[in-house]
Amino acid sequence: RKEVEQDPGPFNVPEGATVAFNCTYSNSASQSFFWYRQDCRKEPKLLMSVYSSGNEDGRFTAQLNRASQYISLLIRDSKLSDSATYLCVAREAGNTPLVFGKGTRLSVIA
Amino acid sequence: EPEVTQTPSHQVTQMGQEVILRCVPISNHLYFYWYRQILGQKVEFLVSFYNNEISEKSEIFDDQFSVERPDGSNFTLKIRSTKLEDSAMYFCASSELGGAAYEQYFGPGTRLTVT
Repeated sequence: RKEVEQDPGPFNVPEGATVAFNCTYSNSASQSFFWYRQDCRKEPKLLMSVYSSGNEDGRFTAQLNRASQYISLLIRDSKLSDSATYLCVAREAGNTPLVFGKGTRLSVIA
Repeated sequence: EPEVTQTPSHQVTQMGQEVILRCVPISNHLYFYWYRQILGQKVEFLVSFYNNEISEKSEIFDDQFSVERPDGSNFTLKIRSTKLEDSAMYFCASSELGGAAYEQYFGPGTRLTVT
């Protein structure tokens, strides 16, 4: 069965805090990994892809450990606008379906 | 910036009725998808569509569901006889063909409420 599991949350953090989300995937055939952001009652939007070597996009850093089938997302210097649900997503090769985790809700508090 | 559009934004229907959810994918995209999200649950894959045929479908996508690309722009999801448990957000997505990790672009969704 192809599952993606995430910290259930919610994470309530003050502005400026660093917060980390973890995720594991069960399908060893997964080749592509992503973090999506979903605001309440809105569509998922791609935050960043996750590469084997790890990658950074501004305040966001993603890591992948294929041996442990583990993915992480680190958000530094949290902003109020970061409040959302963060979805961990895995996919096999090519145009195969995305497999979503249930998401971790983040609330950044002033 | 090109985007996926969906209509209607909210559909209310009675149990047993047929509904058609509409999507206009990004114009140069070749792969199309439907996902659904029941309130409070994860986004789940329903079906993918390429070259005018179903490419892959999940166990959710039973005989009550069908998809169609009736013209060069629209992509539709039909539910023949809706059940209460079909109430969910339905998201359409599209992507280009080719590339190692190309993005699936999601539409804003249609909220389906079955009463």
